[in-house]
Amino acid sequence: GEDVEQSLFLSVREGDSSVINCTYTDSSSTYLYWYKQEPGAGLQLLTYIFSNMDMKQDQRLTVLLNKKDKHLSLRIADTQTGDSAIYFCAVARAGKLIFGQGTELSVKP
Amino acid sequence: EADIYQTPRYLVIGTGKKITLECSQTMGHDKMYWYQQDPGMELHLIHYSYGVNSTEKGDLSSESTVSRIRTEHFPLTLESARPSHTSQYLCASRSTGVEQYFGPGTRLTVT
Repeated sequence: GEDVEQSLFLSVREGDSSVINCTYTDSSSTYLYWYKQEPGAGLQLLTYIFSNMDMKQDQRLTVLLNKKDKHLSLRIADTQTGDSAIYFCAVARAGKLIFGQGTELSVKP
Repeated sequence: EADIYQTPRYLVIGTGKKITLECSQTMGHDKMYWYQQDPGMELHLIHYSYGVNSTEKGDLSSESTVSRIRTEHFPLTLESARPSHTSQYLCASRSTGVEQYFGPGTRLTVT
């Protein structure tokens, strides 16, 4: 089955860029997603990328997809304390989303 | 902002009680999902539905059951709650498009 892996923690200083990485195993995944979860809340869809794209930019967010290495990353420019949250990558397979374990981003002032 | 709602948001209940977690969406989405989120953050799919009168078990075995009598409503029921059911339960929905939206979650504690 599909396996989606993320590192568990990332700590950055306010104003720096954050890069959250994700690897997956199933090369037939059509769409790949990034979600944000703040404490006590549900998951908020941040962005997604179609598998035939290499990059997608949306304001401070840049998604990079390396299909050959099955590697997805989310870059947050000018990281703010409000960006502190857990970030999940997910891949679509057979009508369902398979999630990684989540990366806890801590932004220090 | 997605229009998907879950009630209650928090529930503390004793062992052996029957509980129903409610999930509703006003977007007319045909696909709906229930996830269980461990304290260690990982999400596991426990049930899904692709339309009225269609329900399937997810990847993680669960003692809960679901029903889909109306498009907008996808309740989850535990006939006899146990402490091992303590978790956060997240409902989500998706149309034929790409975006899948989540509700705010129900945090269940069984004492």
